[in-house]
Amino acid sequence: QQQVKQSPQSLIVQKGGISIINCAYENTAFDYFPWYQQFPGKGPALLIAIRPDVSEKKEGRFTISFNKSAKQFSLHIMDSQPGDSATYFCAVVISNFGNEKLTFGTGTRLTIIP
Amino acid sequence: DAGVTQSPTHLIKTRGQQVTLRCSPKSGHDTVSWYQQALGQGPQFIFQYYEEEERQRGNFPDRFSGHQFPNYSSELNVNALLLGDSALYLCASSWTGLSNQPQHFGDGTRLSIL
Repeated sequence: QQQVKQSPQSLIVQKGGISIINCAYENTAFDYFPWYQQFPGKGPALLIAIRPDVSEKKEGRFTISFNKSAKQFSLHIMDSQPGDSATYFCAVVISNFGNEKLTFGTGTRLTIIP
Repeated sequence: DAGVTQSPTHLIKTRGQQVTLRCSPKSGHDTVSWYQQALGQGPQFIFQYYEEEERQRGNFPDRFSGHQFPNYSSELNVNALLLGDSALYLCASSWTGLSNQPQHFGDGTRLSIL
């Protein structure tokens, strides 16, 4: 049973454009939604995260939009740059005072072309 | 300040053998989680260690076992290796003091089973 569905599987965006990656979840117990960025040969690195009590969080060129009623959240990368080319994973978490595990989506391979 | 370090970086084994992977957490972290990432997939949670005990476990067979030492470092052991165990094994560390503390990942051990 896949607890979080991520789309698209791959995405090609021109430099300067907006990259959008979507995730949907089923379990309403999830209450923390991080996004991870992974470069080839490296481990995932936390990019940005949101809690369901806000609808949007922005950090630099990266924005998470959250729709609690639809159980969906998305990552927007503004002014996409070639250095943003990587695989992006959404994840869902049930908060439990450090006793947490990350449940990841299947990933989106993003390629930014000049 | 060293981040999460894993060893070895690559390993080749044959079916039926046993393997031990090692992880040193980021300084100040007391919790270690292990994930398996198959090629082209998101990481899958194996188990988590805190205070030298397995705190929670994902959907992995008993062939997967672990250990945490008093200095918070950890080992992942896999017995009776199968071809399907070929994957990138990631270690993540965090601090248990508060909920949803970021999990910091190492760059993983690439395990190939022949």
